[in-house]
Amino acid sequence: DTEVTQTPKHLVMGMTNKKSLKCEQHMGHRAMYWYKQKAKKPPELMFVYSYEKLSINESVPSRFSPECPNSSLLNLHLHALQPEDSALYLCASSPTWARGPQPQHFGDGTRLSIL
Amino acid sequence: SQQGEEDPQALSIQEGENATMNCSYKTSINNLQWYRQNSGRGLVHLILIRSNEREKHSGRLRVTLDTSKKSSSLLITASRAADTASYFCAARGQAGTALIFGKGTTLSVSS
Repeated sequence: DTEVTQTPKHLVMGMTNKKSLKCEQHMGHRAMYWYKQKAKKPPELMFVYSYEKLSINESVPSRFSPECPNSSLLNLHLHALQPEDSALYLCASSPTWARGPQPQHFGDGTRLSIL
Repeated sequence: SQQGEEDPQALSIQEGENATMNCSYKTSINNLQWYRQNSGRGLVHLILIRSNEREKHSGRLRVTLDTSKKSSSLLITASRAADTASYFCAARGQAGTALIFGKGTTLSVSS
């Protein structure tokens, strides 16, 4: 079992739908991340939140909208996605963002398919 | 752009053999990390080596780092079928910079 929980595990949506991905951790970590991973490729960073504030947005299209309501929760709101957005979306957390070398703890991801 | 590049891309070995994966990176780093990803699962952190360290061990894992060559290697000794997974190196620059993953090595261990 992972300490970072992502829901749902699978999501199929049409290009006009609005949906949200959810991520939760209770390790007291103050940095949380969203990654996108295509098949047989490495994870690509999308967003970094540090102390509930957006620290990094890697030029992600506005159809992806992150939200960090509190230190344990991270959401990714999806709207008007394209077929090429189909991928595994991974959430991760670490104790902090800016200080020192720290491993990241990953959830098992949400596999997203856009019809 | 990717920071780490692994080789080989795929590796097939028998149980009990050792597996070595290599990673090269482009810019100066603060630390380098190795992660494992089982099919359909998230990434699991294996080991972290700081830029001022040359070698680190954890159980059956041995990681080396050569900052002059901008390269690292991961050795898994006495491999098991359960080691079958994709392995990624991930390099981090200074504090506040992103962790950048390499392309990964797919390891298959057959019994």
